[in-house]
Amino acid sequence: QQQVRQSPQSLTVWEGETAILNCSYEDSTFDYFPWYWQFPRESPALLIAIRPVSNKKEDGRFTIFFNKREKKLSLHITDSQPGDSATYFCAASASSGSWQLIFGSGTQLTVMP
Amino acid sequence: AQTIHQWPVAEIKAVGSPLSLGCTIKGKSSPNLYWYWQATGGTLQQLFYSITVGQVESVVQLNLSASRPKDDQFILSTEKLLLSHSGFYLCAWSQGASAETLYFGSGTRLTVL
Repeated sequence: QQQVRQSPQSLTVWEGETAILNCSYEDSTFDYFPWYWQFPRESPALLIAIRPVSNKKEDGRFTIFFNKREKKLSLHITDSQPGDSATYFCAASASSGSWQLIFGSGTQLTVMP
Repeated sequence: AQTIHQWPVAEIKAVGSPLSLGCTIKGKSSPNLYWYWQATGGTLQQLFYSITVGQVESVVQLNLSASRPKDDQFILSTEKLLLSHSGFYLCAWSQGASAETLYFGSGTRLTVL
């Protein structure tokens, strides 16, 4: 059972465009949603994260939009750059005493110059 | 500053042979420690977590075991490798009372032939 789903599996955009990566979850107890990015042959690193008290979190060109009612969130990357090409993972955890951070299947983003 | 070191960087092993992977965290007292596994092109699957020395909890059964012999050390092992054990093994740490922001090591690439 996939608790965190991501779409699309892969996405190609042109430099300067906005990339939109989608994520949904099932467990209502999840209350922390980090996004990680992973470059080829490297380990994942935290990019940006959001808690349900907010419906938007922005960090430079990266913005998370959160819809608690629909259990959906999305990562928007504006003015995409070739250096943004990576696999992006949405993850979820329940902050109260949970020791599991559950990852989605990832979206492979390619930004064409 | 906290540093996380994984060893070895890569391993090529035969089916049925034993395996031991290690992880050491420096600069952080009593970290929460995790092992994750990633198949090529796949998602990150949590295997184990440990919140204190000597105590390890299993998340999924993959014929692997883990131990935490010291506060700063986490070991992943098996007596008999399977082909399905091939992949990228990542050690991670977090602070606080839950698995929220994880900081990953550089990983070990395992190929089982």
